[in-house]
Formats: sequence, C-alpha cells, structure tokens
Amino acid sequence: DVKVTQSSRYLVKRTGEKVFLECVQDMDHENMFWYRQDPGLGLRLIYFSYDVKMKEKGDIPEGYSVSREKKERFSLILESASTNQTSMYLCATGTSGFDQQYFGPGTRLTVT
Amino acid sequence: GNSVTQMEGPVTLSEEAFLTINCTYTATGYPSLFWYVQYPGEGLQLLLKATKADDKGSNKGFEATYRKETTSFHLEKGSVQVSDSAVYFCALGTQGGSEKLVFGKGMKLTVNP
Repeated sequence: DVKVTQSSRYLVKRTGEKVFLECVQDMDHENMFWYRQDPGLGLRLIYFSYDVKMKEKGDIPEGYSVSREKKERFSLILESASTNQTSMYLCATGTSGFDQQYFGPGTRLTVT
Repeated sequence: GNSVTQMEGPVTLSEEAFLTINCTYTATGYPSLFWYVQYPGEGLQLLLKATKADDKGSNKGFEATYRKETTSFHLEKGSVQVSDSAVYFCALGTQGGSEKLVFGKGMKLTVNP
C-alpha cells in the first residue's frame, strides 16, 4: 500500500524560528511536491523535485527552501517563520507520466 | 497558462440528493483531468481521473466525463451520503517536462442526514 508520511500533524512555532517539515515516501517515486492549502485559495505549489538534489520553484517559493538528499525524503524549510506562513502543508509524490499524485496527511503549522 | 475553475461552495445537501460540482479548465496540449477528495483531517486522495477526451472516470458512485468541446470535467453523484462530506478538488495535469498538477480552489460539501 502506498505510504506518504509527514513528520508532524500539528506544529506550533514562534515568529523567526527555523522550521523543518519532513516528508517520507516508500514508493520509490521520482517526483515529490510541497503544497500549502489555505481556505479560498486551494492548493498552491511551493517547490517540487524530480530527483535527488534537484529542485524547482513552484508558484509561491518565497520564504521557503527545500532539500532532497535521498530519494525517499523531501524536506521543506522555513528559514524564518512568519505569521503569514500559518497554513496546512501537504506533501505529495508521483511518478513520471501522470498516473496520479499521492498525498500525505498534512501538517497544520501555526506561527505565533 | 493552465488553469482550473470549479464551484467553490460551501454546499450543503440532504442525504440522497443529486450532486453536481462544475469544473472547467484552460490548458495547452492534452491534459489529464482529476478529481481529488479530502475527508476531514486527512490529506487528498484521488477520487477519479480521465486521461483523454470522452473518457469517463468513476469511483464510489461518482462520475465525471472529459468533455474537450466544452473544456469541462463536471463531477456527479446520483445519491449522496453523509460519508461524502468532504472537500472536492478538480485538477489538471499536462505532460511535457513539468508533470505538475494545477488545482481548483476546492469545494466543501456537507451532507446532512
């Protein structure tokens, strides 16, 4: 069975802290994605990665960075958290050729 | 660029009512179309998909037909249940190097007994 796990379901951080969100998949997928989900805005792509050490900016990369040192793990980093980064963060994986994307359960991040 | 426009809701229905969620798209090339569902407290999961014109995707009583002439992929279910309460997202994907999905804004559906 397909499995995408995210390191935390809920996270509370203070403004200015460095925040790490981790995503791990067990499906040997090449592609991994980070989205944020906000009411009325749907899902917006932050960053994605096609392979180890490769990354590309999505639609809203400002304030975020990513790391993919191993194929199964894709980390989202908030260098200095701000209140406008309070959101639900969703990780997804997929293969080439558009079968579908598989999503993790999400991390609800609150920055105070 | 590619985009998806869908009904945003929220929508409240009674059990056994008929459901339609409209979705239209703009895309270059030949997109694949998807409906994802997000149940409360969970991530998104694929509900159904269609990869070419006139294909019909179906799952759990839901159906959607890929209409190229009207650039639409409307989701329908003849008789909704309380367990269908969720947020529904229409999405589009195109091949050609990016393999990213473009999502609509989502529609929250609540079904009352």
